[in-house]
Amino acid sequence: DAGVIQSPRHEVTEMGQEVTLRCKPISGHNSLFWYRQTMMRGLELLIYFNNNVPIDDSGMPEDRFSAKMPNASFSTLKIQPSEPRDSAVYFCASIREGMGTYEQYFGPGTRLTVT
Amino acid sequence: SQKIEQNSEALNIQEGKTATLTCNYTNYSPAYLQWYRQDPGRGPVFLLLIRENEKEKRKERLKVTFDTTLKQSLFHITASQPADSATYLCALGPETGGGNKLTFGTGTQLKVEL
Repeated sequence: DAGVIQSPRHEVTEMGQEVTLRCKPISGHNSLFWYRQTMMRGLELLIYFNNNVPIDDSGMPEDRFSAKMPNASFSTLKIQPSEPRDSAVYFCASIREGMGTYEQYFGPGTRLTVT
Repeated sequence: SQKIEQNSEALNIQEGKTATLTCNYTNYSPAYLQWYRQDPGRGPVFLLLIRENEKEKRKERLKVTFDTTLKQSLFHITASQPADSATYLCALGPETGGGNKLTFGTGTQLKVEL
């Protein structure tokens, strides 16, 4: 299996621009998580989907952030408009729930820099 | 709200020694706790899971303990090697029946020196 795939790996954009991050979970996994990692705050959960439905979006910082999962093999995280404080590494992770295993499989991350 | 703490300072140890990392938490009763390894520029990788009714779990040179009374987990790497150098993250699972949402600590950086 190819593992969780994220794109782009690096994104540099100017403040005010729209940013879209993409994730393809492992085939057969039915839950997907978006995280943000910074030195100050560590790894924070932004949103959690199960069977393509958002279950918990309490970590989404504000209305500038939105996430979608139109099908089982694709999800996007969009920031519009972007701000310098959004600079971080964004990770996507997936899991197959209901199988008695709980380990999350992480993608390589997208390093976002907003100038 | 729950709070999870890991040693913020880096841990430097000599090759061959046992590394012990600490994870403390408050205001929470997780159904399980996980440990992940993260190398620079990469996503976290799962290492071990320990459930609330388990005291200890082992996997090769790794050992995890879980004390629900102290609200603490200890992560041990025996016979440490330079290749074990990485950041180790503790993650709390949900309280019983709460899905698969994880809350991560900020991690402890381990450096194993020759």
